[in-house]
Amino acid sequence: EDQVTQSPEALRLQEGESSSLNCSYTVSGLRGLFWYRQDPGKGPEFLFTLYSAGEEKEKERLKATLTKKESFLHITAPKPEDSATYLCAVYIYGGATNKLIFGTGTLLAVQP
Amino acid sequence: NAGVTQTPKFQVLKTGQSMTLQCAQDMNHEYMSWYRQDPGMGLRLIHYSVGAGITDQGEVPNGYNVSRSTTEDFPLRLLSAAPSQTSVYFCASRSTGSDTQYFGPGTRLTVL
Repeated sequence: EDQVTQSPEALRLQEGESSSLNCSYTVSGLRGLFWYRQDPGKGPEFLFTLYSAGEEKEKERLKATLTKKESFLHITAPKPEDSATYLCAVYIYGGATNKLIFGTGTLLAVQP
Repeated sequence: NAGVTQTPKFQVLKTGQSMTLQCAQDMNHEYMSWYRQDPGMGLRLIHYSVGAGITDQGEVPNGYNVSRSTTEDFPLRLLSAAPSQTSVYFCASRSTGSDTQYFGPGTRLTVL
């Protein structure tokens, strides 16, 4: 069964304290992996797409990496405005159309 | 561009009532989809459409209907609301030339 697991469920950091979020997956036919940010009461906001093991993408304080079994979202020197839920989703080949399978997210709180 | 818009933002229904959640996009995207987001679960696909006049079921389609008469609009109909349909509903769209889906702001639905 295709599965996406994110850890930790929640993470509290001090401003400037770097850390990483994990997204592990067991799927057949991986086409790509997405990271989204979701603020309370809002829709998911696209951050990155990764397609192959070893690929890295960066945006401001965020860097996403991908291996054959998992992806990491590294947050360097976070600020309070980085507080949000970060969602991981794997995009798999699904016959007539490809499927997007979401993890349950990591709730990140960055304290000043 | 407004992107993906959804109305209403909040809705309360009684069991057995019907209603339509509206979704529109102004990006000329061919692919549109509806997801529901429940606590402790990842976003789950309800229905999707690959173009005007074409719709198909996702992972959790029971109790919902969709139609796609134009490229821009993709309404979701609840035929007879049940408490199990209490959730946050997100509409998303993407171009067929891209893997990235863009999400609307969501509709929070409560069924009493």
